[in-house]
Amino acid sequence: AQSVSQHNHHVILSEAASLELGCNYSYGGTVNLFWYVQYPGQHLQLLLKYFSGDPLVKGIKGFEAEFIKSKFSFNLRKPSVQWSDTAEYFCAVRSNTGKLIFGQGTTLQVKP
Amino acid sequence: DAGITQSPRHKVTETGTPVTLRCHQTENHRYMYWYRQDPGHGLRLIHYSYGVKDTDKGEVSDGYSVSRSKTEDFLLTLESATSSQTSVYFCAISGRGAGDEQFFGPGTRLTVL
Repeated sequence: AQSVSQHNHHVILSEAASLELGCNYSYGGTVNLFWYVQYPGQHLQLLLKYFSGDPLVKGIKGFEAEFIKSKFSFNLRKPSVQWSDTAEYFCAVRSNTGKLIFGQGTTLQVKP
Repeated sequence: DAGITQSPRHKVTETGTPVTLRCHQTENHRYMYWYRQDPGHGLRLIHYSYGVKDTDKGEVSDGYSVSRSKTEDFLLTLESATSSQTSVYFCAISGRGAGDEQFFGPGTRLTVL
């Protein structure tokens, strides 16, 4: 079965630090990849998505992600985090059945 | 934000009682989904719909049923609630299929005592 793995469950950073959250998936075929963010008490919002083309994808709020096919990875990055980035982040992949499969989520805490 | 509402937003109920959660959209999107969110599990798909009266099971469908009699409404029913169904339930919609971007509703926090 397809799966998505987010290795960092809880990350604590100081403001202005750089961020990289790992995401690996198991499916070897054509994939659609997503990163969602959930701010405290809110619903999920799309940060960015990759369907095809340039493997470096830019999203909202200064986030970007790089699709590395050979490593089955789609890591999320931000060069300088802010306190307002405190949230839970979910990686998701479109499965070969057409449905989205989510990772377990990574909680990011940014200290002011 | 996409026009998705969920009701109720919070509910406390007792084991064995039936519970119905409602998702309402104003986007006229074809696809609708119900997920549950639990710590350490991310979001897991319960059921989804690809059109009026067309539904299918997700990965954690046991104990849940759904109905979609109109494009805009997707109902999730817990036939006999159990404590293991205590969770936050999110509805999502998409226009062109499960692989497309999904827009999420505000969630319903359900507690089963």
